Amino acid sequence: RKEVEQDPGPFNVPEGATVAFNCTYSNSASQSFFWYRQDCRKEPKLLMSVYSSGNEDGRFTAQLNRASQYISLLIRDSKLSDSATYLCVVNPRDNYGQNFVFGPGTRLSVLP
Amino acid sequence: DGGITQSPKYLFRKEGQNVTLSCEQNLNHDAMYWYRQDPGQGLRLIYYSQIVNDFQKGDIAEGYSVSREKKESFPLTVTSAQKNPTAFYLCASRDRGFDQPQHFGDGTRLSIL
Repeated sequence: RKEVEQDPGPFNVPEGATVAFNCTYSNSASQSFFWYRQDCRKEPKLLMSVYSSGNEDGRFTAQLNRASQYISLLIRDSKLSDSATYLCVVNPRDNYGQNFVFGPGTRLSVLP
Repeated sequence: DGGITQSPKYLFRKEGQNVTLSCEQNLNHDAMYWYRQDPGQGLRLIYYSQIVNDFQKGDIAEGYSVSREKKESFPLTVTSAQKNPTAFYLCASRDRGFDQPQHFGDGTRLSIL
């Protein structure tokens, strides 16, 4: 089993739709979690950290379920500018200390 | 303006040549990382450094070398031993604390001539 797995995608949704991405992680000791977005041929940019209580930033909501070892990202009222690849990132806090594990990404295309 | 600067943006390597990619950060971060990304693929860790004068191999270190002589600088050398160097190279840095995210530079695209 891979350390971090994501919905394979791609997701093609119309403008204004609500879309949800899921991510599962294998290391139950993982301590911190993040969602990044990566535009085509650009660097990943932090979208939001994911906290145990769940957190919201405008149209974006992140949830963490430690018992089931999954993280979700919900995007409401999708915009054309939301089109990107969304990366789930986990800090496993193993012997390597500060290394992160990146998921393969889920590609989103928001269509007019 | 604080951030991570990678240079050059585009780089071409001839057969048998070593090339060095620059990464500088003024965020006062202890940890720095190098990743490689191939088209349509995820990020793979090449090397990382948690402190000056110390660095560790990542998952795909063969054919690469790094140094960390200063806190703000973490250059990556792609050696001639790396037979398939064409990729997008990303440098990142991170502050201490398990809940601190990584921040990325805007990358260097390396191609073979």
